[in-house]
Amino acid sequence: DGGITQSPKYLFRKEGQNVTLSCEQNLNHDAMYWYRQDPGQGLRLIYYSQIVNDFQKGDIAEGYSVSREKKESFPLTVTSAQKNPTAFYLCASSIQGAMTEAFFGQGTRLTVV
Amino acid sequence: GENVEQHPSTLSVQEGDSAVIKCTYSDSASNYFPWYKQELGKGPQLIIDIRSNVGEKKDQRIAVTLNKTAKHFSLHITETQPEDSAVYFCAASRGGGSYIPTFGRGTSLIVHP
Repeated sequence: DGGITQSPKYLFRKEGQNVTLSCEQNLNHDAMYWYRQDPGQGLRLIYYSQIVNDFQKGDIAEGYSVSREKKESFPLTVTSAQKNPTAFYLCASSIQGAMTEAFFGQGTRLTVV
Repeated sequence: GENVEQHPSTLSVQEGDSAVIKCTYSDSASNYFPWYKQELGKGPQLIIDIRSNVGEKKDQRIAVTLNKTAKHFSLHITETQPEDSAVYFCAASRGGGSYIPTFGRGTSLIVHP
């Protein structure tokens, strides 16, 4: 089945450690996105990529980094510079340039202790 | 850039009642308006969408209306059921080379049996 997979579902890390969240899609989508979701804040865009080896900052990119070495993969690293990393992270993908839906993964809940 | 306002933030109804969620957008060039449903602990999923050349679209108990002049669009759910309880997000975007959807903050719909 085609879809978008995030792993792990739950992640616990100590303060000051970097952590990488995985996002893989087999939908052949060019565009991929990372969102952060906090209660009452909706979906806030962290980074997006419209093509392999290229990505742009979203509204809240500080403290995060991404790579797009393969079309299928768009991992997000939460660095120690992110002051409040505990949140629910969502990855999405879509057909580039087309007015069609975005497909979301099931999310990763990151808790930093 | 685009700005999407969504109201209300919380909506509580009795089973069988109708529910209406409203969104306004700022960019008159936006021409694609999807609605997503997010169940607890999961990623959002598309439930209905509308393009700017259409004023209304229905799919069983859900419908979306679009008023391009006023730059607002609404989600209507009739005969609500407890399984409709979820967070609903509206979004707006432009087609073409750069498809970056802008999301509303979400509406938590609670349907009481």
